[in-house]
Amino acid sequence: RKEVEQDPGPFNVPEGATVAFNCTYSNSASQSFFWYRQDCRKEPKLLMSVYSSGNEDGRFTAQLNRASQYISLLIRDSKLSDSATYLCVIRNTGGFKTIFGAGTRLFVKA
Amino acid sequence: DTAVSQTPKYLVTQMGNDKSIKCEQNLGHDTMYWYKQDSKKFLKIMFSYNNKELIINETVPNRFSPKSPDKAHLNLHINSLELGDSAVYFCASSQEGDRARETQYFGPGTRLLVL
Repeated sequence: RKEVEQDPGPFNVPEGATVAFNCTYSNSASQSFFWYRQDCRKEPKLLMSVYSSGNEDGRFTAQLNRASQYISLLIRDSKLSDSATYLCVIRNTGGFKTIFGAGTRLFVKA
Repeated sequence: DTAVSQTPKYLVTQMGNDKSIKCEQNLGHDTMYWYKQDSKKFLKIMFSYNNKELIINETVPNRFSPKSPDKAHLNLHINSLELGDSAVYFCASSQEGDRARETQYFGPGTRLLVL
């Protein structure tokens, strides 16, 4: 089983739609969780950290389920500019190692 | 002001050559990384340095040799380049703390094509 797994998509949604991505991880000792965004031919950039209690940043909501070992990202009222690849990122306990998922591709269409 | 910079941005070279990629960060971070993103867009960590010391060395061929002359710089030298080395190489930096929630800031990437 891969350490971090994501549905590669692509997800094709109209503007204004709500879309959700899940990411599962295999190491129960994983400590920190993030969502990064990567635009085509650009570098990854932090979208948001994922906290145990769940957290929201504008139209974006991230949740963590430790029991089932997954994190999720919900995007409400999708904009054309949300089109990108969303990377699930895990950091494990006691190390500097950061594991990136393969990414979920999102296309938002007018 | 560029936070994490890499040079060169593009690198086209022949098999068997030796090349270097340079990375500099002006964020005052103590940890730097090299990642490889292949044609399938999978981003994989190669090396990590904390305060100039190597702390992560993934299963990377020993043709790849990182070097950190100081905390702000992490260079990557590649010997005897092979076709499979073609990829985008990203440098990143972060400031480590006790909760390991630190954001990694990435450079713009170096697109390496080996012919």
